Amino acid sequence: DVKVTQSSRYLVKRTGEKVFLECVQDMDHENMFWYRQDPGLGLRLIYFSYDVKMKEKGDIPEGYSVSREKKERFSLILESASTNQTSMYLCASSWDRGTGELFFGEGSRLTVL
Amino acid sequence: ELKVEQNPLFLSMQEGKNYTIYCNYSTTSDRLYWYRQDPGKSLESLFVLLSNGAVKQEGRLMASLDTKARLSTLHITAAVHDLSATYFCAVDIWDDKIIFGKGTRLHILP
Repeated sequence: DVKVTQSSRYLVKRTGEKVFLECVQDMDHENMFWYRQDPGLGLRLIYFSYDVKMKEKGDIPEGYSVSREKKERFSLILESASTNQTSMYLCASSWDRGTGELFFGEGSRLTVL
Repeated sequence: ELKVEQNPLFLSMQEGKNYTIYCNYSTTSDRLYWYRQDPGKSLESLFVLLSNGAVKQEGRLMASLDTKARLSTLHITAAVHDLSATYFCAVDIWDDKIIFGKGTRLHILP
């Protein structure tokens, strides 16, 4: 089974802090994604990556950056957290030569005070 | 701008009834996915639809795709309480960029 592991299930940070959300997948997937999920808004794509050191902006990249130094790891970075970044963050991966089906981690619920 | 619209966004129904959730999208795509999310949990894949006319069935759920109409449906037959969840459709618009609808929260009354 594909396993996508997000390092923190719950985080509480203060405004202005730098936040790292880590995601690791164990199936050698090329593609990795970060979404945020908010009530009434569904899932919105922040960034995605096709390959190591590659990144593409999604629909709401402002205030976020990402890092993919190794194929299995995709990190989401909030340089200076703000209260409007309080959300559930979901990491997902998919196989480049497959159907495009996403496999999700358990999510990281971030609260910014 | 790609739009993926689901309707209804909320559905409360009795056990034993049939109903359909609709997913419309605004750009060309022949890859569409349905996911289920239980409260407090992450998303799990239900169906992968990869061509026009594709139909997939699993238990009481059946999904179909009409790429010409840019429409997918998720049909629920004889609903049971265990199907209560939020259902998302998602569209692959290019190079594996996948955009989600807002989700349909399904509540099945016992």
